[in-house]
Amino acid sequence: SAVISQKPSRDICQRGTSLTIQCQVDSQVTMMFWYRQQPGQSLTLIATANQGSEATYESGFVIDKFPISRPNLTFSTLTVSNMSPEDSSIYLCSVVNRVASEQFFGPGTRLTVL
Amino acid sequence: QKEVEQNSGPLSVPEGAIASLNCTYSDRGSQSFFWYRQYSGKSPELIMSIYSNGDKEDGRFTAQLNKASQYVSLLIRDSQPSDSATYLCAAWGGFQKLVFGTGTRLLVSP
Repeated sequence: SAVISQKPSRDICQRGTSLTIQCQVDSQVTMMFWYRQQPGQSLTLIATANQGSEATYESGFVIDKFPISRPNLTFSTLTVSNMSPEDSSIYLCSVVNRVASEQFFGPGTRLTVL
Repeated sequence: QKEVEQNSGPLSVPEGAIASLNCTYSDRGSQSFFWYRQYSGKSPELIMSIYSNGDKEDGRFTAQLNKASQYVSLLIRDSQPSDSATYLCAAWGGFQKLVFGTGTRLLVSP
């Protein structure tokens, strides 16, 4: 399985500010995703990060609020913009092992917005 | 809307017993199925994948798939308190993305 790291692991931010979360994978992967998991809830897919093109967002998520970059096959960033307390959540990067279609998750970024 | 359904639990079993976790899915086109374990405050960890009808065993874990009934299950033999976690079922559906269930919370009492 791929080794996935995320930075920061946690942060406490003020309302109205933005936070950029980084995801680094130790091998080239075709498919990379960003998820959100709110307390006590299951995983919600935010978007698919596409290398070299704009991310594909799920219903309810927009690029202005969650801009995503993916400059190469091992790295992606998710920015949470103009944050409000409702954005407090764990944000997870995830990649797919193309051979077996297995999907693995990074350790997550725990975000608290005050 | 393609869905994966799980009982939220909690499912309580005594130590040493068999825990049986169940999942149904709506997309008949799904071909790959996965079980993740998630401890509180941690990210999901892939523990089993299954692609064909029947059983797949890995240590104390057995995944079962019945595509005709659109049913996936996970059996945990000799359950340990360390198995206490939320177990997420997922199906690889269309549009190149995993569809997750809401998870079943398992509690194994000593």
